[in-house]
Amino acid sequence: QVQLQESGPGLVKPSQTLSLTCTVSGGSIRSDVYYWTWIRQPAGKGLEWIGRVYTSGSTSYNPSLKSRVTISVDTSKNQFSLKLSSVTAADTATYYCAGGDYVLVNGAYFYRVDVWGQGTTVTVSS
Amino acid sequence: AIQMTQSPSSLSASVGDRVTITCRASQGIRNDLGWYQQKPGKAPKLLIYAASSLQSGVPSRFSASGSGTDFTLTISSLQPEDYATYYCLQDYNYPHTFGQGTKVDFK
Repeated sequence: QVQLQESGPGLVKPSQTLSLTCTVSGGSIRSDVYYWTWIRQPAGKGLEWIGRVYTSGSTSYNPSLKSRVTISVDTSKNQFSLKLSSVTAADTATYYCAGGDYVLVNGAYFYRVDVWGQGTTVTVSS
Repeated sequence: AIQMTQSPSSLSASVGDRVTITCRASQGIRNDLGWYQQKPGKAPKLLIYAASSLQSGVPSRFSASGSGTDFTLTISSLQPEDYATYYCLQDYNYPHTFGQGTKVDFK
């Protein structure tokens, strides 16, 4: 069973780049099943979809962050990563990595995010 | 971006109560919707996908329905472990968007 674990600095200075890694265990990141996803949640607030990457390297990003975000896959380390540049206090949040797949239901494919990391809190402060 | 509006934002209920949460999309999203449960300090957990399909291992007291723009999540008999915040998520198009959440707390 696939498990995910986030890692990275818990404190980032304003204007710098936030870099997080998600390690995949119990399965291969090369799997053509999963879309590897980043989601964040400011303390006490709701969830925000950041973007996702497929094993091929194909990415989709939230337009609200698109100019600052990069999600990539490192197959040699069985990891995928998030880089968010020019951070401000508004980027302070718990960041979750997740895996989503498509399942066949009544002849059509539907997406579900069924694997989650435990989350890592990142604070942007000088 | 498609806006997902959940209602209510919070509700108080007792063990054994029937609880219904709604999610409305700003445009049609077919059945491309999931429901997630989140407890404090924990990652969200998938309950429902494809608007009405129960994820493996999720108790049958959870059910959901809807298509197009209007969706509902129902807990038929609220249990102590169900006190949590519930989110809908549309994946019809990018960016995927969550509802703002519905907090279910103890009455």
